[in-house]
Amino acid sequence: DIVLTQSPDFQSVTPKEKVTITCRASQSIRSSLHWYQQKPDQSPKLLIKYASQSISGVPSRFSGSGSGTDFTLTISTLEAEDAATYYCQQSNSLPLTFGGGTKVEIK
Amino acid sequence: EVQLVESGGGVVQPGGSLRLSCAASGFTFSSYWMHWVRQAPGKGLVWVSRINPDGSSTDYADSVKGRFIIFRDNAKKTLYLQMHSLGDEDTAVYYCARDPYGDFGGNYFDYWGQGTLLTVSS
Repeated sequence: DIVLTQSPDFQSVTPKEKVTITCRASQSIRSSLHWYQQKPDQSPKLLIKYASQSISGVPSRFSGSGSGTDFTLTISTLEAEDAATYYCQQSNSLPLTFGGGTKVEIK
Repeated sequence: EVQLVESGGGVVQPGGSLRLSCAASGFTFSSYWMHWVRQAPGKGLVWVSRINPDGSSTDYADSVKGRFIIFRDNAKKTLYLQMHSLGDEDTAVYYCARDPYGDFGGNYFDYWGQGTLLTVSS
């Protein structure tokens, strides 16, 4: 199975600051990496597909980069509504796997 | 508008069985791969199973293989998860999720339901 390791586990950030979350895969997954946002008591929402491709309706402050084993989700200027847990997920091979999540708290 | 509405969750005794349903609307259900993903209380997301558009191909996580069956009724636009031999480790919110692709599957999820809670407890 492909293991995805996210860091950090938790981040407390002031509004308007930049947020960077990393996701490392245990083997190369090319660009088969997707990012989701899950707010408290809500279902996950797709933010970024195939490492860097934007999703319609998702604010432009969310961006992704990386390929192979190292990936990054960046929130350019954090807003209060971005308080959530963020997950990466690989689609390179079965079983599909998720990272452990990064909780972003607003200071 | 794409909508996925899960139902069927509840409290089940260890060793018991339960069937979850996911009613789809707002898209051509029979054209898409569909998945089940679960989330134990306070924990992360775990993929459970997937099924192709016509129901002829299925895959499972090792943790549920042989105990869970995914199937679909395209006429009713409904996805199902039949669960047997349930244990404490199966306690979770179960989400159905749509795969954006219909041919080989993209293996990621563009729409999610609101989830249904299964609690395995005596």
